[in-house]
Amino acid sequence: DAMVIQNPRYQVTQFGKPVTLSCSQTLNHNVMYWYQQKSSQAPKLLFHYYDKDFNNEADTPDNFQSRRPNTSFCFLDIRSPGLGDAAMYLCATSREGLAGNEQFFGPGTRLTVL
Amino acid sequence: RKEVEQDPGPFNVPEGATVAFNCTYSNSASQSFFWYRQDCRKEPKLLMSVYSSGNEDGRFTAQLNRASQYISLLIRDSKLSDSATYLCVVNVGYNTDKLIFGTGTRLQVFP
Repeated sequence: DAMVIQNPRYQVTQFGKPVTLSCSQTLNHNVMYWYQQKSSQAPKLLFHYYDKDFNNEADTPDNFQSRRPNTSFCFLDIRSPGLGDAAMYLCATSREGLAGNEQFFGPGTRLTVL
Repeated sequence: RKEVEQDPGPFNVPEGATVAFNCTYSNSASQSFFWYRQDCRKEPKLLMSVYSSGNEDGRFTAQLNRASQYISLLIRDSKLSDSATYLCVVNVGYNTDKLIFGTGTRLQVFP
Protein backbone atom coordinates (compact mmCIF):
# COMPACT_ATOMS: atom_id res chain seq x y z
CA ASP A 1 0.00 0.00 0.00
CA ALA A 2 1.15 3.51 -0.74
CA MET A 3 2.01 5.24 2.47
CA VAL A 4 4.08 7.62 4.56
CA ILE A 5 6.64 5.93 6.80
CA GLN A 6 8.50 7.49 9.69
CA ASN A 7 11.50 6.10 11.51
CA PRO A 8 12.05 5.62 14.30
CA ARG A 9 8.63 5.59 15.92
CA TYR A 10 10.18 6.47 19.27
CA GLN A 11 13.43 8.35 19.78
CA VAL A 12 15.13 9.11 23.05
CA THR A 13 18.01 11.55 23.06
CA GLN A 14 19.99 13.50 25.58
CA PHE A 15 19.85 17.22 26.04
CA GLY A 16 22.04 18.80 23.36
CA LYS A 17 22.71 15.57 21.44
CA PRO A 18 21.83 15.90 17.74
CA VAL A 19 19.09 13.70 16.42
CA THR A 20 17.73 12.94 12.94
CA LEU A 21 14.22 11.82 12.18
CA SER A 22 13.37 10.32 8.82
CA CYS A 23 10.33 10.17 6.60
CA SER A 24 9.76 8.30 3.38
CA GLN A 25 6.76 8.09 1.09
CA THR A 26 5.59 5.84 -1.70
CA LEU A 27 2.80 8.19 -2.82
CA ASN A 28 5.07 10.10 -5.21
CA HIS A 29 3.76 13.37 -3.80
CA ASN A 30 5.91 16.38 -4.48
CA VAL A 31 5.03 18.30 -1.32
CA MET A 32 6.35 17.15 2.05
CA TYR A 33 5.79 18.73 5.45
CA TRP A 34 7.19 18.47 8.95
CA TYR A 35 4.95 19.27 11.89
CA GLN A 36 5.62 19.39 15.61
CA GLN A 37 2.76 18.41 17.91
CA LYS A 38 2.88 18.75 21.67
CA SER A 39 0.37 17.23 24.03
CA SER A 40 -3.15 18.69 23.66
CA GLN A 41 -1.93 21.15 21.03
CA ALA A 42 -2.50 21.47 17.31
CA PRO A 43 0.14 20.21 14.89
CA LYS A 44 2.45 23.15 14.17
CA LEU A 45 4.08 23.42 10.74
CA LEU A 46 7.88 23.68 10.94
CA PHE A 47 8.70 23.70 7.20
CA HIS A 48 7.70 22.17 3.91
CA TYR A 49 9.11 21.37 0.49
CA TYR A 50 7.65 21.84 -2.92
CA ASP A 51 9.90 19.38 -4.71
CA LYS A 52 13.33 20.62 -3.62
CA ASP A 53 12.16 24.15 -2.80
CA PHE A 54 12.44 24.58 0.94
CA ASN A 55 9.95 26.79 2.80
CA ASN A 56 10.73 27.58 6.41
CA GLU A 57 8.09 28.93 8.78
CA ALA A 58 9.09 32.28 10.29
CA ASP A 59 8.85 31.01 13.86
CA THR A 60 10.70 27.72 13.36
CA PRO A 61 13.83 27.81 15.54
CA ASP A 62 17.23 27.61 13.84
CA ASN A 63 17.82 24.46 15.86
CA PHE A 64 15.57 22.65 13.37
CA GLN A 65 16.92 21.85 9.92
CA SER A 66 15.67 19.69 7.11
CA ARG A 67 16.97 17.87 4.06
CA ARG A 68 15.17 16.34 1.13
CA PRO A 69 17.64 14.38 -1.00
CA ASN A 70 14.96 13.05 -3.37
CA THR A 71 11.19 12.90 -3.87
CA SER A 72 10.75 9.96 -1.51
CA PHE A 73 12.79 10.96 1.50
CA CYS A 74 12.83 13.87 3.91
CA PHE A 75 14.81 14.31 7.13
CA LEU A 76 14.37 16.48 10.19
CA ASP A 77 17.57 17.33 12.03
CA ILE A 78 17.46 18.77 15.51
CA ARG A 79 20.93 20.11 16.15
CA SER A 80 20.81 20.61 19.90
CA PRO A 81 17.60 19.26 21.37
CA GLY A 82 16.26 20.99 24.44
CA LEU A 83 13.67 19.73 26.90
CA GLY A 84 11.09 21.90 25.13
CA ASP A 85 11.62 19.98 21.89
CA ALA A 86 10.07 16.82 23.31
CA ALA A 87 7.03 16.25 21.11
CA MET A 88 5.51 14.13 18.38
CA TYR A 89 7.00 14.95 14.98
CA LEU A 90 4.69 14.30 12.08
CA CYS A 91 5.64 14.06 8.44
CA ALA A 92 2.95 14.61 5.82
CA THR A 93 2.70 14.68 2.04
CA SER A 94 0.35 16.10 -0.53
CA ARG A 95 0.15 16.56 -4.27
CA GLU A 96 0.83 20.14 -5.28
CA GLY A 97 -1.34 22.33 -7.30
CA LEU A 98 -4.78 22.13 -5.85
CA ALA A 99 -5.38 23.87 -2.55
CA GLY A 100 -8.04 21.36 -1.72
CA ASN A 101 -5.67 18.43 -1.58
CA GLU A 102 -5.58 16.15 1.41
CA GLN A 103 -2.41 15.80 3.43
CA PHE A 104 -1.39 12.25 4.27
CA PHE A 105 0.37 11.79 7.59
CA GLY A 106 2.93 9.30 8.73
CA PRO A 107 2.52 7.66 12.15
CA GLY A 108 4.88 10.15 13.76
CA THR A 109 8.07 9.94 15.77
CA ARG A 110 7.72 10.59 19.48
CA LEU A 111 10.84 12.35 20.72
CA THR A 112 11.88 12.26 24.36
CA VAL A 113 14.72 14.50 25.55
CA LEU A 114 16.46 13.52 28.78
CA ARG B 1 -7.65 35.94 17.53
CA LYS B 2 -6.44 32.41 16.75
CA GLU B 3 -6.41 31.47 13.08
CA VAL B 4 -8.59 28.42 13.74
CA GLU B 5 -10.64 28.18 16.93
CA GLN B 6 -12.46 25.21 18.32
CA ASP B 7 -14.15 24.35 21.60
CA PRO B 8 -11.65 21.91 23.16
CA GLY B 9 -14.36 19.91 24.95
CA PRO B 10 -14.37 17.20 26.08
CA PHE B 11 -17.80 16.30 24.85
CA ASN B 12 -19.02 13.25 26.75
CA VAL B 13 -22.04 11.68 25.04
CA PRO B 14 -23.85 8.35 25.23
CA GLU B 15 -23.93 5.93 22.34
CA GLY B 16 -26.60 6.90 19.84
CA ALA B 17 -26.45 10.61 20.63
CA THR B 18 -26.07 13.36 18.07
CA VAL B 19 -23.20 15.76 18.69
CA ALA B 20 -22.09 18.90 16.87
CA PHE B 21 -18.70 20.59 16.78
CA ASN B 22 -18.07 24.14 15.66
CA CYS B 23 -15.03 25.91 14.36
CA THR B 24 -14.25 29.47 13.28
CA TYR B 25 -11.38 30.65 11.10
CA SER B 26 -9.89 34.08 10.69
CA ASN B 27 -8.53 34.19 7.12
CA SER B 28 -11.28 35.13 4.70
CA ALA B 29 -9.05 34.07 1.78
CA SER B 30 -9.05 30.43 2.88
CA GLN B 31 -10.46 28.09 0.27
CA SER B 32 -10.06 24.57 1.63
CA PHE B 33 -11.63 23.18 4.75
CA PHE B 34 -11.35 19.81 6.37
CA TRP B 35 -12.18 17.79 9.43
CA TYR B 36 -9.44 15.44 10.53
CA ARG B 37 -9.74 12.80 13.20
CA GLN B 38 -6.88 12.06 15.58
CA ASP B 39 -6.88 9.10 17.93
CA CYS B 40 -4.80 9.24 21.10
CA ARG B 41 -1.07 9.18 20.28
CA LYS B 42 -1.75 8.57 16.59
CA GLU B 43 -1.46 10.68 13.46
CA PRO B 44 -4.30 12.84 12.12
CA LYS B 45 -6.40 11.23 9.39
CA LEU B 46 -8.78 12.95 7.03
CA LEU B 47 -12.39 12.47 8.05
CA MET B 48 -13.94 14.63 5.36
CA SER B 49 -13.44 17.70 3.27
CA VAL B 50 -15.97 20.50 3.73
CA TYR B 51 -17.65 22.01 0.69
CA SER B 52 -19.63 25.22 0.36
CA SER B 53 -22.79 23.30 -0.38
CA GLY B 54 -22.35 21.12 2.68
CA ASN B 55 -21.63 17.43 2.46
CA GLU B 56 -22.56 14.21 4.15
CA ASP B 57 -20.74 10.92 4.58
CA GLY B 58 -22.85 8.36 6.37
CA ARG B 59 -23.41 9.58 9.92
CA PHE B 60 -21.19 12.62 9.42
CA THR B 61 -22.35 15.95 8.02
CA ALA B 62 -20.12 18.98 7.46
CA GLN B 63 -21.29 22.53 6.82
CA LEU B 64 -19.43 25.67 5.79
CA ASN B 65 -20.59 29.24 6.21
CA ARG B 66 -18.13 31.48 4.38
CA ALA B 67 -19.86 34.72 5.37
CA SER B 68 -19.47 33.89 9.06
CA GLN B 69 -16.19 31.99 8.57
CA TYR B 70 -17.65 29.07 10.42
CA ILE B 71 -17.44 25.31 9.92
CA SER B 72 -19.42 22.60 11.65
CA LEU B 73 -19.37 18.83 11.98
CA LEU B 74 -22.44 16.84 13.01
CA ILE B 75 -22.16 13.23 14.10
CA ARG B 76 -25.39 11.27 14.32
CA ASP B 77 -25.93 7.98 16.13
CA SER B 78 -22.57 8.18 17.91
CA LYS B 79 -20.56 4.97 18.26
CA LEU B 80 -17.96 4.09 20.86
CA SER B 81 -15.44 4.04 18.02
CA ASP B 82 -16.13 7.72 17.33
CA SER B 83 -14.22 8.62 20.50
CA ALA B 84 -11.28 10.72 19.30
CA THR B 85 -10.15 14.31 18.85
CA TYR B 86 -11.63 16.11 15.87
CA LEU B 87 -9.39 18.72 14.28
CA CYS B 88 -10.77 21.58 12.23
CA VAL B 89 -8.29 22.36 9.45
CA VAL B 90 -8.17 25.29 7.04
CA ASN B 91 -5.71 26.22 4.33
CA VAL B 92 -3.68 29.32 5.12
CA GLY B 93 -4.95 31.50 2.32
CA TYR B 94 -5.58 31.77 -1.35
CA ASN B 95 -4.08 29.03 -3.52
CA THR B 96 -1.81 27.43 -0.97
CA ASP B 97 -1.38 23.88 0.27
CA LYS B 98 -0.34 25.01 3.75
CA LEU B 99 -2.82 24.05 6.44
CA ILE B 100 -3.59 25.49 9.86
CA PHE B 101 -4.93 23.08 12.44
CA GLY B 102 -7.25 23.86 15.29
CA THR B 103 -6.35 22.42 18.68
CA GLY B 104 -9.15 19.91 18.31
CA THR B 105 -12.36 18.98 20.08
CA ARG B 106 -12.22 15.84 22.14
CA LEU B 107 -15.19 13.46 21.93
CA GLN B 108 -15.78 10.64 24.37
CA VAL B 109 -18.69 8.31 23.63
CA PHE B 110 -19.77 6.14 26.55
CA PRO B 111 -21.95 2.98 26.60
